[in-house]
Amino acid sequence: AQTVTQSQPEMSVQEAETVTLSCTYDTSESDYYLFWYKQPPSRQMILVIRQEAYKQQNATENRFSVNFQKAAKSFSLKISDSQLGDAAMYFCAYRSLGNTPLVFGKGTRLSVIA
Amino acid sequence: DTGVSQDPRHKITKRGQNVTFRCDPISEHNRLYWYRQTLGQGPEFLTYFQNEAQLEKSRLLSDRFSAERPKGSFSTLEIQRTEQGDSAMYLCASSLLDGQGTYEQYFGPGTRLTVT
Repeated sequence: AQTVTQSQPEMSVQEAETVTLSCTYDTSESDYYLFWYKQPPSRQMILVIRQEAYKQQNATENRFSVNFQKAAKSFSLKISDSQLGDAAMYFCAYRSLGNTPLVFGKGTRLSVIA
Repeated sequence: DTGVSQDPRHKITKRGQNVTFRCDPISEHNRLYWYRQTLGQGPEFLTYFQNEAQLEKSRLLSDRFSAERPKGSFSTLEIQRTEQGDSAMYLCASSLLDGQGTYEQYFGPGTRLTVT
């Protein structure tokens, strides 16, 4: 079975600064997907960024980018130019091929300090 | 596209009562997932459907839990004889699976269950 580990329960960042959230995972599969989801307080979960394991190039979405290290089974999220609206719980998630259910980590609560 | 909706948003019930939650997925999505999220944890998979067929159930889904998606559209999750340990946020997500690839799971706002 796959597992996802987020070792940072809480992180904080100054507005406009950069922060990196860590995620490691365990799997015996060679092809899979990795995701970062954002869950703002009392609001629904939304997808931030996705990475296909077969792609060597790291995914980027505006201020959000990942550092995907397949051999190390590491998948960190970098948020640049942090904004107050980035404050939320961030979940790293794994999915096998074929739209199977997601496996989530425990999450990292990010605070943004003005 | 109005997104995934869930009803009710909040439910308080007494231990031993039965509760039922509803999820309406995005209209063209053929896959529907139920997850449970307890305080301070990430969501955990419960069960999922492709159209009306229930494809998989987690070991977390005890005999007191049952889920249906009778016409391949909305889904219901029923918990019988609720226990305090059932208190959690119940999340529904939907996605589209077709031959061209995989699509993202879109989440609803969740139903927060409190068992007293």
